[in-house]
Amino acid sequence: EVQLLESGGGLVQPGGSLRLSCTASGFIFSSYAMSWVRRAPEKGLEWVSTISGGGGNPYYTDSVKGRFTISRDNSKNTLFLQMNSLRAEDTAVYYCARGVIVGSTRGAFDYWGQGTLVTVSS
Amino acid sequence: DIQMTQSPSSVSASVGDRVTITCRASQGINNWLAWYQQKPGQAPKLLISAASNLQSGVPSRFSGSGSGTDFTLTISSLQPEDFATYYCQQANSFPHTFGQGTKLEIK
Repeated sequence: EVQLLESGGGLVQPGGSLRLSCTASGFIFSSYAMSWVRRAPEKGLEWVSTISGGGGNPYYTDSVKGRFTISRDNSKNTLFLQMNSLRAEDTAVYYCARGVIVGSTRGAFDYWGQGTLVTVSS
Repeated sequence: DIQMTQSPSSVSASVGDRVTITCRASQGINNWLAWYQQKPGQAPKLLISAASNLQSGVPSRFSGSGSGTDFTLTISSLQPEDFATYYCQQANSFPHTFGQGTKLEIK
């Protein structure tokens, strides 16, 4: 059974940092691109970042470029999102998600974690 | 960036109704279009990938169609568990933008 479990969310002041983790099980982690998607309060879903199965080719939405870094440790089946210089508008539930196509960064997201809440507030 | 425009933003319907949600891309995305369902407090659930490919375990009353820039999600006969928010997403190029969502409410 495929499972994704996020952790690392919490309350942080503006300008602060957080590191989110997503631990995967039930599939060959290194074969799949992984992504982060967020949903701010009273807003819709927003794609944040994607990384290929091998760890190269990271992609970011413009609003987080230069502040967030996606990475992965395939030996530990874990995806990360390092978030620096956090702003109030980064407040959201952050989900990790698996790409549906083996070996590709294109395509839908077929498995999602339960989400972790990040609140940026003073 | 490719913009995804969903309509309507909300719809009220009754159990047994047929409902159609549309999604328009600002440029062609071939069939790289996905539909998700999200209920309060839950993670999104993939319903349809590649515009019309029904995911395993998703009821057959859900269907997707379209190619290029115009896509539709149809629920043929609404069930009580279908009341939720639905999103389209283009997965052709980065950023993988979502539509703004369609909230399906009970009439």
